[in-house]
Amino acid sequence: DAKTTQPPSMDCAEGRAANLPCNHSTISGNEYVYWYRQIHSQGPQYIIHGLKNNETNEMASLIITEDRKSSTLILPHATLRDTAVYYCIVSSTPYSGAGSYQLTFGKGTKLSVIP
Amino acid sequence: ETGVTQTPRHLVMGMTNKKSLKCEQHLGHNAMYWYKQSAKKPLELMFVYSLEERVENNSVPSRFSPECPNSSHLFLHLHTLQPEDSALYLCASSQDVGQGSETQYFGPGTRLLVL
Repeated sequence: DAKTTQPPSMDCAEGRAANLPCNHSTISGNEYVYWYRQIHSQGPQYIIHGLKNNETNEMASLIITEDRKSSTLILPHATLRDTAVYYCIVSSTPYSGAGSYQLTFGKGTKLSVIP
Repeated sequence: ETGVTQTPRHLVMGMTNKKSLKCEQHLGHNAMYWYKQSAKKPLELMFVYSLEERVENNSVPSRFSPECPNSSHLFLHLHTLQPEDSALYLCASSQDVGQGSETQYFGPGTRLLVL
């Protein structure tokens, strides 16, 4: 089962910031928070990941709360091409046996960017 | 992202056919993965290879047979499939496995329809 909770859907106006929340209250100290997105019928696309500190790259920013129990993905200026399902994933702990290093995708948040 | 390629992109096969899906990664990674994504279901990990050695097999039926001849290529051989095996099959790669922080890069997927 996925270790994260996300709203099933969100809308965002084109050009505005999209803030996608994720709860991961059972995260362990050495587990990372990953964000991927999947545009309809394509392979998932890596966006960003982090452990404790906030992270920023050319696609997005990741804000992780101090207690690490939740995070927010920020797309600063959403475009129509950002319409996709966004997955927040807690990576498995370092290898300790079968199934320990897979990415467990939940249902994600369907983000619709509206013109 | 064009670092992971998959062929064919679409495949229609009968239940008695034998076919193979091919994945190639151009990223110099050591690990490769097969995922299955059925309609309206989360991605399911099928197989993991690290340095051409299978390290994960998530109770996948024997009608799916993976092959990893080298670290850049991964195949999924299909035989006597069932209609419920119709899905999007995704290949991914990462630098390594088991470290807790491995970004996976996905291919575009093969859309399989079993008649």
